Amino acid sequence: QSALTQPRSVSGSPGQSVTISCTGTSSDVGGYNFVSWYQHHPGKAPKFMIYDVTKRPSGVPDRFSGSKSGNTASLTISGLQAEDEADYYCCSYAGRYTYVFGTGTKVTVL
Amino acid sequence: QLQLQESGPGLVKPSETLSLTCTVSGGSISSSGYYWGWIRQPPGKGLEWIGNVFYIGSTDYNSSLKSRVTISVDTSKNQFSLKLSSVTAADTAVYYCARWDCGGGSCYPDFWGQGTLVTVSS
Repeated sequence: QSALTQPRSVSGSPGQSVTISCTGTSSDVGGYNFVSWYQHHPGKAPKFMIYDVTKRPSGVPDRFSGSKSGNTASLTISGLQAEDEADYYCCSYAGRYTYVFGTGTKVTVL
Repeated sequence: QLQLQESGPGLVKPSETLSLTCTVSGGSISSSGYYWGWIRQPPGKGLEWIGNVFYIGSTDYNSSLKSRVTISVDTSKNQFSLKLSSVTAADTAVYYCARWDCGGGSCYPDFWGQGTLVTVSS
C-alpha cells in the first residue's frame, strides 16, 4: 500500500476557491467510491469532513465539497475562510478491509 | 459527546515493544457498526493507517506492519490497545486512536483522539 499523492501545499485568498487533489490507483481511489477527507489543525484531533467521495457529515459547511474522476479524488473549498487554514488528508478504502491515507496538503489562506 | 484519549509511554527504546491504550468515554466500545483503530503520523510526514479492531476482537492490519502489530479490545474497561514490537526510530510518530463508523458501504474514522507522541530512542 503506497500513500495517496497530494500536493504539498495550496493557497488562496479569502473568498476564493482552492482544490486539493488526491491521486491513487485502480486498487484504491479508482476502484471504490469510498474516499474521505480530514481537516487537521496541528495539535488537535483531525476532523471528518467528507465521506463516500461527496457526502458531508452533519455540521460540515457546504463550502467543502468532494469529487472523483478515475484514480484522482478532489476536495474543493469554496469561499475560503481564515479558519480553513490547516492540513488536509484524503483516505481511501484499498480492498480487503484495508485503508490508505494521502501524503497531506497544507492549505494557506493568504 | 464521544471522546477518545490515548495513553502510554512517550519514550520507547529500540527493539522494545510500544504499548498504547485508548480510553473511550461518552459511548460504548461494544456498539455495533463501529470499529476502533490506530493511525500514526511520523514527524513531517502524512498519516498512516495501522489497524482496526471490532469489539468482539476481530482485527484488520496494515500489511506493512502486520508482523509487528497487535490491536486488542477490553470491553469491560471501554478501552482498546496497540502493541508494536521490535520498534526502530522509524516508528517515532504521533499515534492517534479513532472510532471508525462502518454504518454505510465502508468505514471511516469519524472521531479521533488528540494523539500522543511516541519517540523511539535509546
